[in-house]
Amino acid sequence: DQQVKQNSPSLSVQEGRISILNCDYTNSMFDYFLWYKKYPAEGPTFLISISSIKDKNEDGRFTVFLNKSAKHLSLHIVPSQPGDSAVYFCAASRGGGGKLIFGQGTELSVKP
Amino acid sequence: DTGVSQDPRHKITKRGQNVTFRCDPISEHNRLYWYRQTLGQGPEFLTYFQNEAQLEKSRLLSDRFSAERPKGSFSTLEIQRTEQGDSAMYLCASSSLLRGLAFFGQGTRLTVV
Repeated sequence: DQQVKQNSPSLSVQEGRISILNCDYTNSMFDYFLWYKKYPAEGPTFLISISSIKDKNEDGRFTVFLNKSAKHLSLHIVPSQPGDSAVYFCAASRGGGGKLIFGQGTELSVKP
Repeated sequence: DTGVSQDPRHKITKRGQNVTFRCDPISEHNRLYWYRQTLGQGPEFLTYFQNEAQLEKSRLLSDRFSAERPKGSFSTLEIQRTEQGDSAMYLCASSSLLRGLAFFGQGTRLTVV
């Protein structure tokens, strides 16, 4: 039972353009969502989060959008840079804390 | 560096041997989590502690796996009688009670040969 899904295993974007990574979830009890970035052989690094009481959160080049009715969230990176190339995971939790349920990840490649 | 620290970074072991990993969380964090990640998948939750109490264990955590956090600070994850299917990256994370944001360590890459 995959409660958090990232249906695109990979995404390739030109430097300077927008990267849009998508994530769907099935459990309506999730109330806190996070995006992590991961380089090979390293642990995930926190990028940005959003609470279910909001529909948008922005931090510099990164914006997360949450559509609760569609059970969908997306991460926008503008402008994309080659250093953004990594695997991006979305994760969800209940009760504002506790264990995280991760998606399978999307590998982003930003080409110069 | 006051982030989450894991030791060792890499471990190669023969099938049937026991291994133990250590995690030192961010010092003010009450919650500590263990996850396992295999190739092409996201991290999968194994177990978590609040202070020294183990509050939840995944069904992924067979009886060959045991985790402890004896004084509510560092934690150990032991795998007994390792199998090739145990080969994975084992990740530790910590968070505070007030905020659910989890910070991850660098992970321990286990290879069972």
